[in-house]
Amino acid sequence: DTAVSQTPKYLVTQMGNDKSIKCEQNLGHDTMYWYKQDSKKFLKIMFSYNNKELIINETVPNRFSPKSPDKAHLNLHINSLELGDSAVYFCASSQEDGTGLYQETQYFGPGTRLLVL
Amino acid sequence: EDQVTQSPEALRLQEGESSSLNCSYTVSGLRGLFWYRQDPGKGPEFLFTLYSAGEEKEKERLKATLTKKESFLHITAPKPEDSATYLCAANSNSGYALNFGKGTSLLVTP
Repeated sequence: DTAVSQTPKYLVTQMGNDKSIKCEQNLGHDTMYWYKQDSKKFLKIMFSYNNKELIINETVPNRFSPKSPDKAHLNLHINSLELGDSAVYFCASSQEDGTGLYQETQYFGPGTRLLVL
Repeated sequence: EDQVTQSPEALRLQEGESSSLNCSYTVSGLRGLFWYRQDPGKGPEFLFTLYSAGEEKEKERLKATLTKKESFLHITAPKPEDSATYLCAANSNSGYALNFGKGTSLLVTP
């Protein structure tokens, strides 16, 4: 069984379009994340959701909007796509340890490769 | 500001030639130091989590260690299938996000 899945795997689109990427986890985790990996392979956090509430929103353009319909899903909607949005987007999930003292392991999906033309 | 630095950027080893990858971190209140392996076209695959200085974990040919300022990933007698990018990440008490280093690209030749 796939623990963290993303769709689509590849996304090629024109500048100015609006697109969505879906993520689902079957691990029963309560926290989900979106990361962006640029062309130099550097992974950077974009958003984090805990129990359907946004808890991190890094300096990401407001064209990017995460939506969490339930604990197992965190989708990423991107408006007015730009060339610079081309990257690989990874979804991840983890389970809070309850004490706040430790960060539990984050498990990553296979990635969505976005190419904006 | 939290920072994670990995070295070297790239490493080429002969099969059987042991070596170590370094991860230096500067975070306020470490809540976890993580090692991942990433193969081309795939997502990061979890290897180890370390929480306190002195802790060590092993898995097959890999061993991860942690001090108060850095972590090492030791690779003993590597095989070509160990070729991948190895990512180090740290989490601090400033939030849930993992701060990743830029990775070490390892190539093991027969």
